[in-house]
Amino acid sequence: IVLTQSPGTLSLSPGERATLSCRASQSVTSNHLAWYQQKPGQAPRLLIYGASRRATDIPDRFSASGSGTDFTLTISGLEPEDFAVYYCQHYSNSVTFGPGTKVDVK
Amino acid sequence: QMYLVESGGGVVQPGGSLRLSCAASGFSFNRYAMHWVRQAPDTGLEWVAVITYDGYNAFYADSVKGRFTISRDNSKTTLYLQMNNVRPEDTALYYCLRSEYFPYWYYDIWGRGTLVTVSS
Repeated sequence: IVLTQSPGTLSLSPGERATLSCRASQSVTSNHLAWYQQKPGQAPRLLIYGASRRATDIPDRFSASGSGTDFTLTISGLEPEDFAVYYCQHYSNSVTFGPGTKVDVK
Repeated sequence: QMYLVESGGGVVQPGGSLRLSCAASGFSFNRYAMHWVRQAPDTGLEWVAVITYDGYNAFYADSVKGRFTISRDNSKTTLYLQMNNVRPEDTALYYCLRSEYFPYWYYDIWGRGTLVTVSS
């Protein structure tokens, strides 16, 4: 399965809503999709698994939805620490990552 | 606190070998599948290999199959990646990661990674 993320870069201001897309080349089995956040110089951090389940200690401004081939990560009001790169990941009989969406300050 | 600490990275010539290690602590290492995922400079993430909790089964990305070997020592709570016949495109930061059993291969704990540079 190949994952495509859009847009490549999203330029927004703090407080704005961010909507990130992840599209799969084939239907994702049982919503086996995760989202990660990566800040410069840091390892990625798990945000979402099972397409919509927030990981431990992830703020509720992060939400995700989707099924089949189309998935969305939404950040309801951007905080300064949310400006980062976001990756989606499919996991099933293989593991693939999307190319990432960079959320930067407008 | 749960930790994964990678080590063993460095500069290696094309065609050379390197062995990466990952020390795990703070959780029941022998209950989890373990993976290596890499990230080339300023690029995205690529899954490399996985080994089951008991070490009996391993699976590899096509890009490393036949050159890399993943292994584990549950008595030492340590994961390994033996890299042979390395290529310039293997240059990356290598992360070791834990996951639940197949197919729940998502990653909740990340270390700092260990950098491998393949260059003559």
